[in-house]
Amino acid sequence: ETGVTQTPRHLVMGMTNKKSLKCEQHLGHNAMYWYKQSAKKPLELMFVYSLEERVENNSVPSRFSPECPNSSHLFLHLHTLQPEDSALYLCASSPRLGNTIYFGEGSWLTVV
Amino acid sequence: AQSVTQLGSHVSVSEGALVLLRCNYSSSVPPYLFWYVQYPNQGLQLLLKYTSAATLVKGINGFEAEFKKSETSFHLTKPSAHMSDAAEYFCAVIQESGNTPLVFGKGTRLSVIA
Repeated sequence: ETGVTQTPRHLVMGMTNKKSLKCEQHLGHNAMYWYKQSAKKPLELMFVYSLEERVENNSVPSRFSPECPNSSHLFLHLHTLQPEDSALYLCASSPRLGNTIYFGEGSWLTVV
Repeated sequence: AQSVTQLGSHVSVSEGALVLLRCNYSSSVPPYLFWYVQYPNQGLQLLLKYTSAATLVKGINGFEAEFKKSETSFHLTKPSAHMSDAAEYFCAVIQESGNTPLVFGKGTRLSVIA
């Protein structure tokens, strides 16, 4: 139990589907993050939110759309994905930007 | 800007042998340094962190790391490897009093041979 919960843990979706990944943190943190982890590639920071405002977007394709309705919840909305988007998507939080990051267990996404 | 370099994408040791995973950092200001571990099919878990207190930091599962400013290093060690230590290990850095996310290395996969 890390204090950061991700659902679903596994998701298979077609290229024309629309789905969402959900992340909830129970740590009272003010910053939340989405990372992508593909096989044989380094961790990629996708989005950063601090106090519910997006502060960093690392050239992520528009088919990935984040949403942070409050400091405890973070979503990643997915639409018209490609097979190369198949990866482990990790959510994380920290007390504030620049502090120790705590990760969730990840959501395994397979695009078929 | 900060960065970390992990030497060796894959390290293999025998059970009971010393574990040494290397991390060198680059930072123009005093850094905070971290080691994370990722077991198969799981997220990353904080192993230990250096935040400008003692230079020798002890973490979970018998791991420790020493901050050496003169060598810009923060290598991770464990005296005796267990089979359960097989995992991916990530080094990360941020600026002390920084306001930016952690910067991660590319990871080192540790295999433990019986």
